[in-house]
Amino acid sequence: KAGVTQTPRYLIKTRGQQVTLSCSPISGHRSVSWYQQTPGQGLQFLFEYFSETQRNKGNFPGRFSGRQFSNSRSEMNVSTLELGDSALYLCASSLAVTKGETQYFGPGTRLLVL
Amino acid sequence: AQSVAQPEDQVNVAEGNPLTVKCTYSVSGNPYLFWYVQYPNRGLQFLLKYITGDNLVKGSYGFEAEFNKSQTSFHLKKPSALVSDSALYFCAVRDPTQTGANNLFFGTGTRLTVIP
Repeated sequence: KAGVTQTPRYLIKTRGQQVTLSCSPISGHRSVSWYQQTPGQGLQFLFEYFSETQRNKGNFPGRFSGRQFSNSRSEMNVSTLELGDSALYLCASSLAVTKGETQYFGPGTRLLVL
Repeated sequence: AQSVAQPEDQVNVAEGNPLTVKCTYSVSGNPYLFWYVQYPNRGLQFLLKYITGDNLVKGSYGFEAEFNKSQTSFHLKKPSALVSDSALYFCAVRDPTQTGANNLFFGTGTRLTVIP
């Protein structure tokens, strides 16, 4: 079974631009979560989606948004990019949303904002 | 509030020696605990988890972890370290009392270096 895939793997943008990242979960997985990883803040939760509904959102500004499609694929968008948005963005999928469910991570999209 | 602490930023161990990567947690109720490993320029790979039951959990690549409720710890262990185990290790907790949310709270990570 293929793992979580994320596209693109690398991205360079300039301040003020917007960016869209894509995530395809493991086949059959209906839950997708997004995390931001930076050297200073570590791994921080962005959003969680299940069956096209956002279940939970982390403490990020409104510039960060996401959505999930009927095939469970998910996208996240960051508008008006800032230098501090440079990070590795990780997507994780799980079969369901029970507390014991394991999240499986993709390779990430590395975003550099200049 | 939930939190995870990994008190050691860096752990060095000689190849063939046992290794321990420490993790303590703070959460209301019974915790759901996870260990992940991250290799350079890669995402996180799941190693093992504790949900309930036996306090000693066995996972991938020969790793195991011991859940200790009284010490609120979930240390990762391996009897004999390999050079290929060198990576960044993350402990994570899921808050059982947070309804409608399934996200993980991660520790700051511990860089393990296995010396040949």
